[in-house]
Amino acid sequence: SAVISQKPSRDICQRGTSLTIQCQVDSQVTMMFWYRQQPGQSLTLIATANQGSEATYESGFVIDKFPISRPNLTFSTLTVSNMSPEDSSIYLCSAGTGLGNGYTFGSGTRLTVV
Amino acid sequence: AQSVSQHNHHVILSEAASLELGCNYSYGGTVNLFWYVQYPGQHLQLLLKYFSGDPLVKGIKGFEAEFIKSKFSFNLRKPSVQWSDTAEYFCAVSPNTDKLIFGTGTRLQVFP
Repeated sequence: SAVISQKPSRDICQRGTSLTIQCQVDSQVTMMFWYRQQPGQSLTLIATANQGSEATYESGFVIDKFPISRPNLTFSTLTVSNMSPEDSSIYLCSAGTGLGNGYTFGSGTRLTVV
Repeated sequence: AQSVSQHNHHVILSEAASLELGCNYSYGGTVNLFWYVQYPGQHLQLLLKYFSGDPLVKGIKGFEAEFIKSKFSFNLRKPSVQWSDTAEYFCAVSPNTDKLIFGTGTRLQVFP
């Protein structure tokens, strides 16, 4: 299965700033996703990153707040914009060639907004 | 509302005890079902999955899960847990899409 490198692994940011998280997969994948895991809660799907087109966002998440890029089949970025303390969370990248093989997850980015 | 429920938030067991973690979902129609595990300090890993066929599926590390359609359940089991099974376990459902919807997770602590 694919191996995912996610950077940075953690960061502490000032409110009002933006952070871009990178997700690099070691092989071409069909599907890439971004999740958020808030303290003590489960993983919530933010969006599906579509190669060469705009991401598909889940209810409650908007492009202005979480712009996503996916320029090719192995790389995606998630930006958390105009951050507030409520954005403090772990952000996870997930990828795979299809449900049948299961999806691989990155190790996550632990974001703290102060 | 459509959801995935894991009723056990925190389970504490002694080594060699049997384990059963509950997972219920509220999606209708065809669903694909998964259990993922996250060991301390590690990333999420797939334990097992169910798409069709035999409702009793076997995964890695001695885990198995049973799909009961009439109960909308996909419970995870292991006959004898080990200290190394200490982890967080997530049930996930794919309701006829490519996306995974996760349950709230169950934290398992196994004491020697």
